[in-house]
Amino acid sequence: TAGITQAPTSQILAAGRSMTLRCTQDMRHNAMYWYRQDLGLGLRLIHYSNTAGTTGKGEVPDGYSVSRANTDDFPLTLASAVPSQTSVYFCASSDGAGAQETQYFGPGTRLLVL
Amino acid sequence: GQNIDQPTEMTATEGAIVQINCTYQTSGFNGLFWYQQHAGEAPTFLSYNVLDGLEEKGRFSSFLSRSKGYSYLLLKELQMKDSASYLCAVSSGDYKLSFGAGTTVTVRA
Repeated sequence: TAGITQAPTSQILAAGRSMTLRCTQDMRHNAMYWYRQDLGLGLRLIHYSNTAGTTGKGEVPDGYSVSRANTDDFPLTLASAVPSQTSVYFCASSDGAGAQETQYFGPGTRLLVL
Repeated sequence: GQNIDQPTEMTATEGAIVQINCTYQTSGFNGLFWYQQHAGEAPTFLSYNVLDGLEEKGRFSSFLSRSKGYSYLLLKELQMKDSASYLCAVSSGDYKLSFGAGTTVTVRA
């Protein structure tokens, strides 16, 4: 079972350009999440979706947008990248959206914005 | 706001025991997770505590005291492969998982 896949693995992006980070899960999980991980700050939630067709804002949503057209895919878009968006981005999913649900993480996308 | 504190780094010898502490002050509490993250890899689930007490799972145990806002992860019989970052995360409601910055554990021979 693949679990969660993310693409690309890494990317160098010029400031001002747009980019979509892809995330696909094959576990039929209802909830999906996008986090960024920065040194010394831990994982911070960007956006989440508790079921297909719905999305919500996390702790650091500015500059990012998401969509959830179906259960499996949850792309994250940077409309106009800035250097402060340099980070490692992790997609995660959980069977439900309840507080006790374990989240399973993808391998991450390493993004450098210059 | 959410405040989750854990030590930045710890070093221990192979075969020894290490205890990683996590203190938290959060608006709401619905359980505490521990994740393991090897360098360059994704976090993976280790444990979940929602009631006070100790949960044992092989070489790893996790303890929770809700009244003290305190948890620890105990790693016994350390192996080289246990060198990783350990992330404490508090669930304060649906969709809301707040992570500490992580503790990097280095196991030396």
